[in-house]
Amino acid sequence: AQSVTQLDSQVPVFEEAPVELRCNYSSSVSVYLFWYVQYPNQGLQLLLKYLSGSTLVESINGFEAEFNKSQTSFHLRKPSVHISDTAEYFCAVSDRVTGGGNKLTFGTGTQLKVEL
Amino acid sequence: DVKVTQSSRYLVKRTGEKVFLECVQDMDHENMFWYRQDPGLGLRLIYFSYDVKMKEKGDIPEGYSVSREKKERFSLILESASTNQTSMYLCASSPEDLTDTQYFGPGTRLTVL
Repeated sequence: AQSVTQLDSQVPVFEEAPVELRCNYSSSVSVYLFWYVQYPNQGLQLLLKYLSGSTLVESINGFEAEFNKSQTSFHLRKPSVHISDTAEYFCAVSDRVTGGGNKLTFGTGTQLKVEL
Repeated sequence: DVKVTQSSRYLVKRTGEKVFLECVQDMDHENMFWYRQDPGLGLRLIYFSYDVKMKEKGDIPEGYSVSREKKERFSLILESASTNQTSMYLCASSPEDLTDTQYFGPGTRLTVL
């Protein structure tokens, strides 16, 4: 079974500072990797995803993540955070299910708190 | 615009009650999912469905059942609610392909007294 590890449950950072949210996965097959973000009192929404090709993927709001196969990692980074980036971030891996369909396995989440 | 709606944002029920949580998507997606979200545990998959009348157990199906009679609607049922089922419940849907994004509803915060 696939699994996802997010070692940091909380990451406090000052505004305009860089941040890295760590994600490691375990999988014996090719993977598709996702980062989702959950703003306060909202559902999750996709931030970015890696499917194939370039190992560096970017989101529209300045986040980027790099797929590293040898280290089985998919860390999320932003060079300069804004107060509006305060949210919970979830890493996930996609998996085909025997019998049909596919599902995501999520990490436990990292709460990013941006302070002034 | 993509939309997944859940019947209630907040729900309070008593122990032993039968509880229905409803989810509707308007994107003609094949897959639908029910998760529960608890602090420190992330999202855990309860059940999912990849087609009408089809269902698969997720990681924590005990105490829950589901129904999918129509493609756009996926219901989560707590046959006899217990206090340890107090949680945030999130519904999601996605197209068939493994690479596709899941779209989430706003969540239902269920409290069982």
